Parts: sequence; structure tokens; C-alpha cells
Amino acid sequence: GENVEQHPSTLSVQEGDSAVIKCTYSDSASNYFPWYKQELGKRPQLIIDIRSNVGEKKDQRIAVTLNKTAKHFSLHITETQPEDSAVYFCAARSFNNDMRFGAGTRLTVKP
Amino acid sequence: KAGVTQTPRYLIKTRGQQVTLSCSPISGHRSVSWYQQTPGQGLQFLFEYFSETQRNKGNFPGRFSGRQFSNSRSEMNVSTLELGDSALYLCASSLWRETNMNTEAFFGQGTRLTVV
Repeated sequence: GENVEQHPSTLSVQEGDSAVIKCTYSDSASNYFPWYKQELGKRPQLIIDIRSNVGEKKDQRIAVTLNKTAKHFSLHITETQPEDSAVYFCAARSFNNDMRFGAGTRLTVKP
Repeated sequence: KAGVTQTPRYLIKTRGQQVTLSCSPISGHRSVSWYQQTPGQGLQFLFEYFSETQRNKGNFPGRFSGRQFSNSRSEMNVSTLELGDSALYLCASSLWRETNMNTEAFFGQGTRLTVV
């Protein structure tokens, strides 16, 4: 089955700086790559996703890039704010398989 | 439209007991997946159901089982509970990916299980 690795496990940045989280996946058939944000005590919520027919997608301060050849995708958050502090999970899924998640990145944005 | 509902929110059980957790998906969603979340372990996949059939299963012992009903509601059961089963159990519902391009998974609030 799919194996998703996520780095780093913790990330601390100053408010206003950028944050980048990287994930790799193993199943070349994976075609859907979502990113979830989980605030303390809350459920994971989708913040952005990308499909395999697209190389990059942006939504305001958040962007995701996908390199199918290298089988890796990244989350970029620009102009970080304290409310961006949370645990971020990447995931990958193909038509034939369930969604597998990375181990998560705890992002701390220091004011 | 109502979100994914999980019941109960909290449970305390004793080692050796069994427990049943419930998940009601978003109306119209027929795919339900279950995950175990523990500190430092991320979201570990348990199983996925669609149309009352288990479609995929993660690497958990046979003590973990589940089922899905005709109304798409799903239950998971853990028998002979162990201390290590203490975790947040999350379910997620989505449209079935083979027939829909929009495969976003929506999570419930989770059931926090504590085994003592």
C-alpha cells in the first residue's frame, strides 16, 4: 500500500516568515494529495489539495506543489501568522486505495 | 448540511473490555474511513468501507473490526481492549473516488478512548 513520509516533524518560524513542509509518497498510482490542518483539540480540516494532473495550486497564502516524477509534494505557507500554528498532515490516495497520511508537522509561528 | 458525527465523544474502558464507536457520514457520502490518532503517530489507517463492504484494511490486529450499514453509517469495534488502544479515533466520510472527482474527506470530531 501507499507509504507517505513527511518532514520536518516540527517547524518553528517567526511571524511573517514562510514555512515549507515536504512529503514523499511511494505509490505511483496516487493521484490525489490533500493537506489537512489540525488545531489543538479539533478535527483535521482540509486546507488545500492537488490532483496529479496539476503541478501547482495556490490559495491566498497557501500553495502546494507536486512533482510526480520524484513523487514528492510540498506545502508552502507565506507571511505566516500565529493562527497558522497547528499540526499539518499531508496525504496521498489513488483510485484503488485508501488515503494514507504522513506523520504530521507541528508548526509554531512565534509572534 | 450536517457534518460527520461521531458518538460517543469520550469513553473510558477497562482492559479486556470491548467497545463500539459510531460514525454517521455526511448525507450522500457513502465512503467511510477510520483512523487511529495517537501523539507522535499521526493518523494510522484502520479500514475503509463503501456500500457496506470493507474496501481496504490497515495493519491493525483482528481485535479491530468494523461494519457499514445500508444508510452508510459505520461502526468500529475493538475487543479485548489493551492500554495501548487509548487514542483518538477519527472517522472520515467522502464521495466514492471511483465515481467522483471530488474526493475530499471530511472528518468527525473523533471519539477519545481511554483504556485503564
